[in-house]
Amino acid sequence: TQLLEQSPQFLSIQEGENLTVYCNSSSVFSSLQWYRQEPGEGPVLLVTVVTGGEVKKLKRLTFQFGDARKDSSLHITAAQPGDTGLYLCAGARGGTASKLTFGTGTRLQVTL
Amino acid sequence: KAGVTQTPRYLIKTRGQQVTLSCSPISGHRSVSWYQQTPGQGLQFLFEYFSETQRNKGNFPGRFSGRQFSNSRSEMNVSTLELGDSALYLCASSWSRQHANTGELFFGEGSRLTVL
Repeated sequence: TQLLEQSPQFLSIQEGENLTVYCNSSSVFSSLQWYRQEPGEGPVLLVTVVTGGEVKKLKRLTFQFGDARKDSSLHITAAQPGDTGLYLCAGARGGTASKLTFGTGTRLQVTL
Repeated sequence: KAGVTQTPRYLIKTRGQQVTLSCSPISGHRSVSWYQQTPGQGLQFLFEYFSETQRNKGNFPGRFSGRQFSNSRSEMNVSTLELGDSALYLCASSWSRQHANTGELFFGEGSRLTVL
């Protein structure tokens, strides 16, 4: 059972365009992370959001955690070729559980 | 500061063989988690080790096992390999179980296993 669904699965856009990636679940998470993974490398943590409704900005990337802590979104403004990669959301349940539930992934390609 | 180091980076095995993968966490990190990544299933949690003890385990068969040494280095072993075990195996470390719990994981580049 995939607990975190990401949409879209694939996205091909041109440099300068804006985009939004969604991460949805029916479960509540104590925190949610976004990672970016490039070919041949492991995922790299971009941000952690822990409070419902929280918005975090990282240069051209804006992350939002849903009020009910069941969903999140990643918005990229003026995409650049360097943004190309696989974007993964991951949820943590809190308590003593130490495993993350990863989303299905969104593969983004930004062309010139 | 050196990152998470995984060895080997690539390996090819045949069905029925066994394989051992190694992970050296970032210096000072005590929690090590292992994940399997495949195109069909995405990233799935295998297990987590902290202070040489397995603290959490995912839904994988007993053929998948691991251990952690006193210096926090970790190994995972897969016995009686099957074709479906072909995947990228990722190791991630964090400062503590609390940080692992909040997802502040630092991943290695992975070990890509191909089973023929």
